[in-house]
Amino acid sequence: AQSVAQPEDQVNVAEGNPLTVKCTYSVSGNPYLFWYVQYPNRGLQFLLKYITGDNLVKGSYGFEAEFNKSQTSFHLKKPSALVSDSALYFCAVRDTSKAGTALIFGKGTTLSVSS
Amino acid sequence: EAQVTQNPRYLITVTGKKLTVTCSQNMNHEYMSWYRQDPGLGLRQIYYSMNVEVTDKGDVPEGYKVSRKEKRNFPLILESPSPNQTSLYFCASSWGHKYNEQFFGPGTRLTVL
Repeated sequence: AQSVAQPEDQVNVAEGNPLTVKCTYSVSGNPYLFWYVQYPNRGLQFLLKYITGDNLVKGSYGFEAEFNKSQTSFHLKKPSALVSDSALYFCAVRDTSKAGTALIFGKGTTLSVSS
Repeated sequence: EAQVTQNPRYLITVTGKKLTVTCSQNMNHEYMSWYRQDPGLGLRQIYYSMNVEVTDKGDVPEGYKVSRKEKRNFPLILESPSPNQTSLYFCASSWGHKYNEQFFGPGTRLTVL
């Protein structure tokens, strides 16, 4: 069965420090991976995706993610965290058992950036 | 502005009283979907639609209905809401190719008493 795991419920980091939000996946076939961010009382916003090609994917707001096939991971990273990055982050994988663009989401990781 | 809209944003209702949550997108997307978000469970897909008059069940369809009579609209219907349907609901849309990301609406917080 396809699945996504976000092993940390919460990540705390000081402003200006690098941040990593972890994600591992389990799929059959090629993985199509996505990161979304949810700010309080808002919908999910797309950050970046990995479809194929370069293992380092760059996205919105200075975020990037590293795809590692051998470790089945897709960790979200940012070199220097901002207080405004504090939000709920979701990793997702394309659900290839369904037609279209269905996603399987992880449970989410709350990122807290302190000043 | 390209967007997905949902109405209402907040709704408190009672068990058994039929309700509809509307969803509309202005991006001419073929694919539309409904998710529910519950603490500790992430988002789970309820129903999806590949195009007009084409709908299919997601992972948690029990107690819900949908329709897709127009490309831009994808309403979620709860015929007889129950307290276990208290949740945060999101509508999403995308172009149909599997590589495409989904665009999400702002969410509807539903409480069933």
